[in-house]
Amino acid sequence: KAGVTQTPRYLIKTRGQQVTLSCSPISGHRSVSWYQQTPGQGLQFLFEYFSETQRNKGNFPGRFSGRQFSNSRSEMNVSTLELGDSALYLCASSPSGRAPPGELFFGEGSRLTVL
Amino acid sequence: GNSVTQMEGPVTLSEEAFLTINCTYTATGYPSLFWYVQYPGEGLQLLLKATKADDKGSNKGFEATYRKETTSFHLEKGSVQVSDSAVYFCALAGGSQGNLIFGKGTKLSVKP
Repeated sequence: KAGVTQTPRYLIKTRGQQVTLSCSPISGHRSVSWYQQTPGQGLQFLFEYFSETQRNKGNFPGRFSGRQFSNSRSEMNVSTLELGDSALYLCASSPSGRAPPGELFFGEGSRLTVL
Repeated sequence: GNSVTQMEGPVTLSEEAFLTINCTYTATGYPSLFWYVQYPGEGLQLLLKATKADDKGSNKGFEATYRKETTSFHLEKGSVQVSDSAVYFCALAGGSQGNLIFGKGTKLSVKP
């Protein structure tokens, strides 16, 4: 069974640009969560989608957005990039339909560098 | 609100040494507790979990017991290997936004 796939794995952007990251969950998983990982703040919750609906959202500005498609694939977008957005963005899927999810299955992440 | 506190790293041990990584939590009710591990260049993967008080989670020689009286979920392994070198995260299910709450992570380095 294929794991959670995130693309791209690495990317470099400049301040003011926008970026879109993609996540394909494990087949059959309908919940997809996104986390930002930085050395200073650790893992911070961005949002969770379930059946194409944003079910939960963390404390990030509106520049961070996401969506989920009918096949459960998810994308997150960051607009007007800032230096502080440099981080590893992790996507995780869960077979659980309840919130909070139990076990999360993580992808390898997309490492974003903002110059 | 709910939170997780785990010991600061890095932790450096020799092979076959005993490992303890402390984790305490603050939460209303009795949330499920988890330990995740992140190997270099990879995402997180579940190591073990416990869903109620006094439960012991175990996997790959690692163990942790859900102690409600001390609000703790310490990770232990009797004899670490070089391959255990990774970052370990304690987490609880019970964020106000319906998410998992993670500790800051503890980096473990095991020397041969």
